Amino acid sequence: QKEVEQNSGPLSVPEGAIASLNCTYSDRVSQSFFWYRQYSGKSPELIMSIYSNGDKEDGRFTAQLNKASQYVSLLIRDSQPSDSATYLCAVEDFNKFYFGSGTKLNVKP
Amino acid sequence: DTGVSQDPRHKITKRGQNVTFRCDPISEHNRLYWYRQTLGQGPEFLTYFQNEAQLEKSRLLSDRFSAERPKGSFSTLEIQRTEQGDSAMYLCASSSALTPTLYGYTFGSGTRLTVV
Repeated sequence: QKEVEQNSGPLSVPEGAIASLNCTYSDRVSQSFFWYRQYSGKSPELIMSIYSNGDKEDGRFTAQLNKASQYVSLLIRDSQPSDSATYLCAVEDFNKFYFGSGTKLNVKP
Repeated sequence: DTGVSQDPRHKITKRGQNVTFRCDPISEHNRLYWYRQTLGQGPEFLTYFQNEAQLEKSRLLSDRFSAERPKGSFSTLEIQRTEQGDSAMYLCASSSALTPTLYGYTFGSGTRLTVV
C-alpha cells in the first residue's frame, strides 16, 4: 500500500489569505499527482493535476511538485469561505490512485 | 446527465444481510473504479475494471465483497453478510483508459451504507 501523508488540520485562514496545503508520498516511482476537494457529505472533485517538478497555476490555485523530496503542495490564493472543505492529495500508481486522509481547511470571513 | 451515477444514495441494512450497489459511469469512459471512504479518511481503493475485465482487486478486500461489470457499462458491488465495519461511503469513479493520469477520475455521488 502506498503511503500518502497529509496533516489532518484543521487549517484556519482568514478570508483573502493564502492557504498552503502539503502532502508527502512514499513511492519514488509515482509520476502523477492530484488534488481533490471534498465538501462535507459530498464526493471528491478534481481541482488540479501535476506531473512535472515545479509549479502549475490554475486561477487561484497553484500546485507545486518536488519529486526529489517526494512532496506536493497546493496553494490557494485569496481564500474564500466557499473554499472551506477537505482537500485530498492523490498519487497515481499503475492506474490506481492512493489518497491521503485529507486536510480540513476553514476560511473565516 | 453525463456524470457518474450511483444508486442508491443511502442504504441502511441489518448485520448479516447482503447489499448490492450500482454504478453507471460516464458513457465514453472504459475504466471504472470502486473506492470506500470512512469518516476522516481518504478514499481507499477496492477494485477496478477496464471494459468488462476486472484488472485488480485490493488484497485488503474481504471475500465477502464482489464486483461485476458484465457488459463493460454499469457495474455492481455486492457485499455479502454485512458487518458493522462495512459502514462507509462507497464511491464509484470512471476515467478513460487513455487519459486516467492526465485528467484524474470523475467520482459519483456515492452510496452511504449503514449497517445496524
